[in-house]
Amino acid sequence: SQTIHQWPATLVQPVGSPLSLECTVEGTSNPNLYWYRQAAGRGLQLLFYSVGIGQISSEVPQNLSASRPQDRQFILSSKKLLLSDSGFYLCAWNSGQAGNQPQHFGDGTRLSIL
Amino acid sequence: DAKTTQPNSMESNEEEPVHLPCNHSTISGTDYIHWYRQLPSQGPEYVIHGLTSNVNNRMASLAIAEDRKSSTLILHRATLRDAAVYYCILRGGFGSGTYKYIFGTGTRLKVLA
Repeated sequence: SQTIHQWPATLVQPVGSPLSLECTVEGTSNPNLYWYRQAAGRGLQLLFYSVGIGQISSEVPQNLSASRPQDRQFILSSKKLLLSDSGFYLCAWNSGQAGNQPQHFGDGTRLSIL
Repeated sequence: DAKTTQPNSMESNEEEPVHLPCNHSTISGTDYIHWYRQLPSQGPEYVIHGLTSNVNNRMASLAIAEDRKSSTLILHRATLRDAAVYYCILRGGFGSGTYKYIFGTGTRLKVLA
């Protein structure tokens, strides 16, 4: 069966520090991968998605970046965190391009910027 | 991207059915209707999806209007564990060129004991 792992579960970082969040998927190949951010009490905002190794689509201009160095690995990074980067970060995957494929989410990383 | 509109919140009594509405008047012919729910401090969980016909699974039922401009997620007997934010989203079909799932703010369901 397929599983998605996301870590760390919680993270507290000072303003201006770098960030690296990692997400890996097991049990499937060539998944579509997604990063979302959720501010407190708000809906999910799509940040990046990737349909293959090295292919990244950015949805929202910001100081975050994403990379996909391996088929089932998706990394969210920042060189200098801002206070506004606080939130709940979720990684997700699904298969193929067909619209009937459900999306599967990780447990999320709660990021607090001090 | 086609948008969906949901009520911000709803309440239900435990053991009673719940009908969660969603409007998607700009839906295209190949868009699938997906429903997810999010429990506090967790990632969203897939509930159900459909294209044109009503769908049933172990979690819920999905009723899709004949013109597909609206749909309703039906929880047949609400339990306290069903208290969550429910999201209705549209997903482009194969060949649509889109891989995105656009989440709105969802409906916060409160279940009363």
